[in-house]
Amino acid sequence: RKEVEQDPGPFNVPEGATVAFNCTYSNSASQSFFWYRQDCRKEPKLLMSVYSSGNEDGRFTAQLNRASQYISLLIRDSKLSDSATYLCVVNPPTGGGNKLTFGTGTQLKVEL
Amino acid sequence: DVKVTQSSRYLVKRTGEKVFLECVQDMDHENMFWYRQDPGLGLRLIYFSYDVKMKEKGDIPEGYSVSREKKERFSLILESASTNQTSMYLCASKTGGVNYGYTFGSGTRLTVV
Repeated sequence: RKEVEQDPGPFNVPEGATVAFNCTYSNSASQSFFWYRQDCRKEPKLLMSVYSSGNEDGRFTAQLNRASQYISLLIRDSKLSDSATYLCVVNPPTGGGNKLTFGTGTQLKVEL
Repeated sequence: DVKVTQSSRYLVKRTGEKVFLECVQDMDHENMFWYRQDPGLGLRLIYFSYDVKMKEKGDIPEGYSVSREKKERFSLILESASTNQTSMYLCASKTGGVNYGYTFGSGTRLTVV
């Protein structure tokens, strides 16, 4: 089983739609969680951290379910500029809390 | 903002050449990492370092070595480049503590011919 699993997509959605990505992780002792965004041929950039209570940043909402080892990202009112690959990232207890594990990413395409 | 700078955006090297990829960060981060990213395989960790002169193997260290003589600089070395090392190479740095993510450099797209 992969440490972090994501549906690769692509998710093709119309502008204005709401889209949700899911991610599961295998190590129940993982300590912190993140979503990164990666544009084509660019480096990944931190989108948001994911907290147990859930957190929101504008149109983006992240949720964590530790019991099910499941992380989600919800994007409301999708924009063309949201088109990118979204990487689910987990911080497992190995590596002293400093070595992150990345999913392979979910590709989002927002269309007119 | 933390800045992580990779020395080259694009590189073309010949098979058998020794290749140096340089990475410098300006925020005094203890931890630095080298990844390669290939379509369908995602990010794979090559080596990482949590302090000067310290290094740890990642998931795919074969054919690579690293050097960290100064805190701000982490170099990746391809001892004898091969065509299967054609890839996007990403350097990242991170401060200590579980709640912090990585900051990545802009990547080096290496082609070995």
